[in-house]
Amino acid sequence: GAGVSQSPSNKVTEKGKDVELRCDPISGHTALYWYRQSLGQGLEFLIYFQGNSAPDKSGLPSDRFSAERTGGSVSTLTIQRTQQEDSAVYLCASSLGWGARTYNEQFFGPGTRLTVL
Amino acid sequence: AQSVTQLDSHVSVSEGTPVLLRCNYSSSYSPSLFWYVQHPNKGLQLLLKYTSAATLVKGINGFEAEFKKSETSFHLTKPSAHMSDAAEYFCVVSGSRGNTPLVFGKGTRLSVIA
Repeated sequence: GAGVSQSPSNKVTEKGKDVELRCDPISGHTALYWYRQSLGQGLEFLIYFQGNSAPDKSGLPSDRFSAERTGGSVSTLTIQRTQQEDSAVYLCASSLGWGARTYNEQFFGPGTRLTVL
Repeated sequence: AQSVTQLDSHVSVSEGTPVLLRCNYSSSYSPSLFWYVQHPNKGLQLLLKYTSAATLVKGINGFEAEFKKSETSFHLTKPSAHMSDAAEYFCVVSGSRGNTPLVFGKGTRLSVIA
């Protein structure tokens, strides 16, 4: 009965390094979202997976950002060649898919705080 | 495109007095609207949601919000503030159906004074 989990909870990296952030959605949720929360920009959508459909990448800020979702469950957000402006809290959320009685309600994980030095 | 505007970045109230956090939305079709709360160092929690049913929506911890289409508003209220209500509150909009990404307001920080 666990909620959405994310790892690591904190990540400190040096500018130019690559980082991977992990999200485990609630079991049975077919939709998975990544958001970013930063001081200057508030909460922004990054990318969205729904079942086996092609992901909606319209929120990714640059081609240094990418995400995968393997087996329709766990997702990994990868940031290549990190920059200081990538410092933020990265939030993952999941929800039930189309046709479910409760739609659009997204359940959020605790986030990963990324600090780029 | 959809958007929400939270009219106050910071609201301060005394314990036991009413809370009003204001939100206006913009949407080209019938939206779903939400209020989320974020306590310090904690995750986002859904307070309440409007999805085209009753316009007065009741949520957790005594909060409620009223959807007013004519005013494009979805203000959050609570009759009596408690110290534990101090947190950041986000007004959020998404599409009317299905699973679409949420669009967040900038947030309103609520302070409760003893």
